[in-house]
Amino acid sequence: GAVVSQHPSRVICKSGTSVKIECRSLDFQATTMFWYRQFPKQSLMLMATSNEGSKATYEQGVEKDKFLINHASLTLSTLTVTSAHPEDSSFYICSANANEQFFGPGTRLTVL
Amino acid sequence: EDKVVQSPLSLVVHEGDTVTLNCSYEVTNFRSLLWYKQEKKAPTFLFMLTSSGIEKKSGRLSSILDKKELFSILNITATQTGDSAIYLCAVEGAGNNRKLIWGLGTSLAVNP
Repeated sequence: GAVVSQHPSRVICKSGTSVKIECRSLDFQATTMFWYRQFPKQSLMLMATSNEGSKATYEQGVEKDKFLINHASLTLSTLTVTSAHPEDSSFYICSANANEQFFGPGTRLTVL
Repeated sequence: EDKVVQSPLSLVVHEGDTVTLNCSYEVTNFRSLLWYKQEKKAPTFLFMLTSSGIEKKSGRLSSILDKKELFSILNITATQTGDSAIYLCAVEGAGNNRKLIWGLGTSLAVNP
């Protein structure tokens, strides 16, 4: 199947700092990528749809100024968590469409 | 409002048992239903179903869709401890961005 990578896999940061997470489609081009957040023992929650060359579409309740998404090329989307706080600690997962949606391995963010 | 409901939420079985996981949906302009397995990291793709009545099979796993009754089942025969995971069902609805609507998942534990 298609391969999606994420970097970093794990990050620990201090409250107030910004964290950038990269999502790459390695062997295919993706005009659309999705960013999810998952809290322990809960299902995936879609945060936003990242569209190459245009603005991301955010789900209700997700602050676009806090979670900045850039999809500058057909193989790369980035999610920046600005001024992170402990409540932003979560597992962030991206996915990209080939024929099905393929997921990156996820990034575990811990904000101290 | 579009929704996907999975049942049961949690299941504990012994090795060798057969399990059936359920996914029902109400989604505008259905396109496809997908099953994923999630262990400690991001979900891994199992099946994509688009047509009623056609069973998809991969080893001990199989799945089928009923578009009239709006549900799908995922069967696992001769379960093994390695099958322990959360099984997620998602439905792709209308729109070009291929956004998925997720169920809460079924947590399966297979005991030796």
